[in-house]
Amino acid sequence: ETGVTQTPRHLVMGMTNKKSLKCEQHLGHNAMYWYKQSAKKPLELMFVYSLEERVENNSVPSRFSPECPNSSHLFLHLHTLQPEDSALYLCASSQVGPRADTQYFGPGTRLTVL
Amino acid sequence: AQSVTQLGSHVSVSEGALVLLRCNYSSSVPPYLFWYVQYPNQGLQLLLKYTSAATLVKGINGFEAEFKKSETSFHLTKPSAHMSDAAEYFCAVSEKETSYDKVIFGPGTSLSVIP
Repeated sequence: ETGVTQTPRHLVMGMTNKKSLKCEQHLGHNAMYWYKQSAKKPLELMFVYSLEERVENNSVPSRFSPECPNSSHLFLHLHTLQPEDSALYLCASSQVGPRADTQYFGPGTRLTVL
Repeated sequence: AQSVTQLGSHVSVSEGALVLLRCNYSSSVPPYLFWYVQYPNQGLQLLLKYTSAATLVKGINGFEAEFKKSETSFHLTKPSAHMSDAAEYFCAVSEKETSYDKVIFGPGTSLSVIP
């Protein structure tokens, strides 16, 4: 596997379910990101982990819970979601250094909340 | 704060015609600028990036972009559109936060290529 992978690619869940999204990066990067992409809206940054510490929580509801057990893996735990949470969830990684560098994206998980 | 605007949420071109997607940014410091492409049901793929070296940046798939500081622009061009270029294109600017790279994305431009 190369680059950034995400599983599952598609997920349908009810509002009372609990599920998790997984992201893995094979680039040796030290920062990982979760974004939400809804139809007709700009990309929304949700969470950032740098050196395995959460450094950004962009006013995301508590029904979304991130976890970063090591620099290569990132999870997004979901519980009691709402239909408006249906979106494409994108994971990205980058190498944090003296200047801002490129973020590399995974293919995304298409989430549908019924 | 940095921001990005993309003129035209939807652009249509004929196959073989010039592609021009516009991007303007605001930044108080020399920026890093990016163009990403997103094909249906996929993530974002880096097309090219500007990092204060040459002002004309060449990317993948025949795309290039020119950084014009006086116009605060970073427009994306391709001389001849191909059907496979139909996708969503995002311009982005990055700024250095204390401990990570914050990327501000534009709203995107959807490119259609007409046979």
